[in-house]
Amino acid sequence: KAGVTQTPRYLIKTRGQQVTLSCSPISGHRSVSWYQQTPGQGLQFLFEYFSETQRNKGNFPGRFSGRQFSNSRSEMNVSTLELGDSALYLCASSLDRVGGYTFGSGTRLTVV
Amino acid sequence: QKEVEQDPGPLSVPEGAIVSLNCTYSNSAFQYFMWYRQYSRKGPELLMYTYSSGNKEDGRFTAQVDKSSKYISLFIRDSQPSDSATYLCAMSVEGAQKLVFGQGTRLTINP
Repeated sequence: KAGVTQTPRYLIKTRGQQVTLSCSPISGHRSVSWYQQTPGQGLQFLFEYFSETQRNKGNFPGRFSGRQFSNSRSEMNVSTLELGDSALYLCASSLDRVGGYTFGSGTRLTVV
Repeated sequence: QKEVEQDPGPLSVPEGAIVSLNCTYSNSAFQYFMWYRQYSRKGPELLMYTYSSGNKEDGRFTAQVDKSSKYISLFIRDSQPSDSATYLCAMSVEGAQKLVFGQGTRLTINP
């Protein structure tokens, strides 16, 4: 059974640019969440989607957005990148049971 | 004050030792409690999942939740070098899909 797949694994962007990250959940999982992980703040919740609807949103500026497609695949977008956006971005999927989240290996974003 | 507090360590113990990892929290609405293990350059892997109070055992791992003290623990028996990783506690309220994580404890098991 394939796990959660995130692409790309590594990304280097320039300040001011925008970036799109992709996540393919485990087959059959309809809930997809995104987290940002940094050494200073740890893992922080960005947003969660279920059946193409955003159900929950964390405390991040509007530059961070996401969407989910009918096949449950999800993308997150960060516009006008700042140096502080450098982080590991993790996607997690679930059948819709709290706690039963499986994480991908993440996308390491570096903003220069 | 953070909702979930976890000692970041690092924690270093000899192989075979019993390891105790802990988290405290302030939000009494938390009902779901989890422990994740994260190896370097990997995503977190779910180890234990507990609803409300009590103990749960899975092989060498035991999770305890004490809601009256707002305190959760993970015990690792007969620790192995392969257990060396960062351990993260996570919690959620009923009906929410948002996990609140502790900072993570970096654990090293020395052969």
